[in-house]
Amino acid sequence: NAGVTQTPKFQVLKTGQSMTLQCAQDMNHNSMYWYRQDPGMGLRLIYYSASEGTTDKGEVPNGYNVSRLNKREFSLRLESAAPSQTSVYFCASSPGLAAYEQYFGPGTRLTVT
Amino acid sequence: AQSVTQPDIHITVSEGASLELRCNYSYGATPYLFWYVQSPGQGLQLLLKYFSGDTLVQGIKGFEAEFKRSQSSFNLRKPSVHWSDAAEYFCAVGATSGTYKYIFGTGTRLKVLA
Repeated sequence: NAGVTQTPKFQVLKTGQSMTLQCAQDMNHNSMYWYRQDPGMGLRLIYYSASEGTTDKGEVPNGYNVSRLNKREFSLRLESAAPSQTSVYFCASSPGLAAYEQYFGPGTRLTVT
Repeated sequence: AQSVTQPDIHITVSEGASLELRCNYSYGATPYLFWYVQSPGQGLQLLLKYFSGDTLVQGIKGFEAEFKRSQSSFNLRKPSVHWSDAAEYFCAVGATSGTYKYIFGTGTRLKVLA
C-alpha cells in the first residue's frame, strides 16, 4: 500500500519554465490537497479538491493551476515559474474535508533560478 | 478569523525529560484539532486528533494531548522523550462549518540532547 506518491522528488527550473507536479493516492480518498512549505511559515494551502470533479483555491493559489484527473490523481502545474515559487511542495489526501486527518506524500523540492 | 499559534519555534530537551509543546487556536465553534510530526525530508504524519468527547487524547509514539476549551489550547505532551522524537511538530485546526478551512501552525522544531 503506497499511500500518497509524488513525482518528481527534486526539480530545478529556470525562471519562466513550466512544469507539472504529479500526485496519486491509493486509499480511495475523496479529498486531495496541494501545500507549499517554506521556512518559518508552516504549510500553506495552494489548492484543494473536495471530491472528484471539483477544485478550489486555498490560501496561496496565484501562479498555480491544478487538475483532478480522477479520484486517484491530483496534479499541480506551474505555468511560468518564478523564484518565489522555490519551496517544498506536499500533496495530501483525506477521506473528506476538515474533520479528517490528512495523509501526506514525501514532497517535491523545487528550486527556481 | 480562524488561526493556530505555536508560540515556540524551537525547543530543546534532554533525552528522558518530559515534553510539552503548546498550541493555541482561535475558532468560534469546537474545532477539529490535530497534531502532526515531520521528520527531516519527510511528509507529515498524524500523531493524534481530537473531535469530541474525552479531552485527553492518546496518540502514536507515546504522545498525548489535552483539549482545554477555556484556554483555547491543545498542547502536546510526552512523559519521556527519546532521541528519535527529534523532528518538527505541527498543530492543525479543521473548520466544521462555513468555508472549508484547515490551518496549520508554523511548527515547533524539537531538538533532543543525548
